[in-house]
Amino acid sequence: EVQLEESGGGLVQPGGSLRLSCEASGFKFTDHLMDWVRQAPGKGLEWVGRIRNKDNRYTTEYAASVKGRFTISRDDSKNSLYLQMNSLKTEDTAVYYCARSPIQRGPMDVWGQGTTVTVAS
Amino acid sequence: DIQMTQSPSSLSASVGDRVTITCRASQGISNSLAWFQQIPGKAPKSLIYAASTLDTGVPSKFSGSGYETDFSLTISSLQPEDFAIYYCQQYKSYPFTFGQGTKLEI
Repeated sequence: EVQLEESGGGLVQPGGSLRLSCEASGFKFTDHLMDWVRQAPGKGLEWVGRIRNKDNRYTTEYAASVKGRFTISRDDSKNSLYLQMNSLKTEDTAVYYCARSPIQRGPMDVWGQGTTVTVAS
Repeated sequence: DIQMTQSPSSLSASVGDRVTITCRASQGISNSLAWFQQIPGKAPKSLIYAASTLDTGVPSKFSGSGYETDFSLTISSLQPEDFAIYYCQQYKSYPFTFGQGTKLEI
């Protein structure tokens, strides 16, 4: 069964840091691009960023709202995706989803269940 | 950035109805459009990509159409499990952007 499981969410103060993880199983992780998408309470979906696979040199793309503060990485040996979040702001409060994107397909097709990040003092 | 605008923002319908949700892009995106369904409190689920291609396991009651700037999602024969929030997303260029969502209510 194809699965994505996020972890690492929690409460953090403004200006703090947090690292989210997403563990993949049931598919060939190395063949997929991986995305992070977030959803603030009561709001719609916001794409956060993407990391490509090894064949595409692990290059990344980011939304302007997080560029320079968030870093996406992956460890193919652990079938894991990461989101390092620094200089957190209250507006980063959201449920964070990881999602896989098959190279030949384009957009994300499988999503994790999400992990909640709350930035508050 | 490409802006995606969905209409309506909310829609009331009954079991058995056929409904259509539209999505407009601020510039041409070819057929690089996806549709997602989200039940509140749950993760989004992919329905359609490339504007009209159904994802594996998605029933044929869902259909998508459109090209460049104007797209639509049609759901026929509504069932209770179809009442959810629907989002369009463009993946033509970065940053990927979503529509604001359409809440389909009974």
